[in-house]
Amino acid sequence: EVQLVESGGGLVQPGRSMKLSCAASGFTFSNYGMAWVRQAPTKGLEWVATISYDGSSTYYRDSVKGRFTISRDNAKSTLYLQMNSLRSEDTATYYCTREHYVYPLWDYWGQGVMVTVSS
Amino acid sequence: EIVLTQSPTTMTASPGEKVTITCRASSSVSYMHWYQQKPGASPKPWIYETSKLASGVPDRFSGSGSGTSYSLTINNMEAEDAATYYCQQWNYPSLTFGSGTKLEIK
Repeated sequence: EVQLVESGGGLVQPGRSMKLSCAASGFTFSNYGMAWVRQAPTKGLEWVATISYDGSSTYYRDSVKGRFTISRDNAKSTLYLQMNSLRSEDTATYYCTREHYVYPLWDYWGQGVMVTVSS
Repeated sequence: EIVLTQSPTTMTASPGEKVTITCRASSSVSYMHWYQQKPGASPKPWIYETSKLASGVPDRFSGSGSGTSYSLTINNMEAEDAATYYCQQWNYPSLTFGSGTKLEIK
């Protein structure tokens, strides 16, 4: 069974940093692209960043470029999101997602982890 | 960045009713994808590449469209279909979602 379990969220002050982790199991992690998608409270979904199966390619939404870094450790089957210079508008539930092997689709989602940026 | 505009924002349908949700893109896209999300739950893939149903999706759902105009249709609305539906375009370097359509059951 595919499982994606996020951790590392919580309350952080504006301007500070936080690192999210996503532990993957039930599939060969190193074969799949992965992504982070977020959802602000009572708002819609927003793609944040994507990393290729081997980590060689990364993509970011404009509002997080230069502040967030997506990375992965295939030996540990773990996805990361390093978030620096956090802003109040980064407050959201962050979902770890797996890209389908063939189709442009996020076929599995974690349960999400809440990040609150507030003083 | 391609902006996706969904309509309606919210709607209520009776059991058995036909429902259509529309998604318009600010620029032409090759495909549209749809996700379903229920309160307190993670989103689920629902329709991909415009018209292909994701695993486990009932065949009363269908998707269609091309260019800048796409739609999700439910034939014979059921109570379990009440949810928020998001359209999404997959066009790197910027992937975007619509703002969502909240579908309620009467």
